Amino acid sequence: SQELEQSPQSLIVQEGKNLTINCTSSKTLYGLYWYKQKYGEGLIFLMMLQKGGEEKSHEKITAKLDEKKQQSSLHITASQPSHAGIYLCGAVTNEKLTFGTGTRLTIIP
Amino acid sequence: GAVVSQHPSWVICKSGTSVKIECRSLDFQATTMFWYRQFPKQSLMLMATSNEGSKATYEQGVEKDKFLINHASLTLSTLTVTSAHPEDSSFYICSARSYRTPNGKTQYFGPGTRLLVL
Repeated sequence: SQELEQSPQSLIVQEGKNLTINCTSSKTLYGLYWYKQKYGEGLIFLMMLQKGGEEKSHEKITAKLDEKKQQSSLHITASQPSHAGIYLCGAVTNEKLTFGTGTRLTIIP
Repeated sequence: GAVVSQHPSWVICKSGTSVKIECRSLDFQATTMFWYRQFPKQSLMLMATSNEGSKATYEQGVEKDKFLINHASLTLSTLTVTSAHPEDSSFYICSARSYRTPNGKTQYFGPGTRLLVL
């Protein structure tokens, strides 16, 4: 089965600073998803990457999939309190979405 | 677009009663809906997959008689927790996807339902 390891597990960042979250797969990724979850809420779809080397941006969040399609990174520029939450990467295997271990992001003033 | 709702958002019930949770895709027709369970500080655990008009496929270890899933239409799936017990207390989240949309493989999630069984 596909395993997704995220790093770091948790991150405390001062407001306005940049940060990066990584997601590493044990197998080749044929579709990598990034979601964000706030405590006690559902998941918000951020982006999906499919091609090696692909990069997508939405507002201040940029996600990349490496050429070998086994690692993805999520970069947030000039972080804001609204970015706080748990970030999950996910990959579909046999029609099922497998999630990474998650990264808890805290933004401090 | 791709909005999924759940109702109720919170439910408290007595042990032994049954609880029904609804999941609706509001602006698209979902060919497949998924039900997940999430424990505190843990990731989502897939419980079952349901396709419209057919029986749900349950993951290993999930009791199908305990967690009844009905996917009666392309916009509605329900999860019924039968004879609920305190250990069923959890956060239940549904998701939906549609191969009829350009982003067909992406799952869109509902806001979740928190169940507390007393």
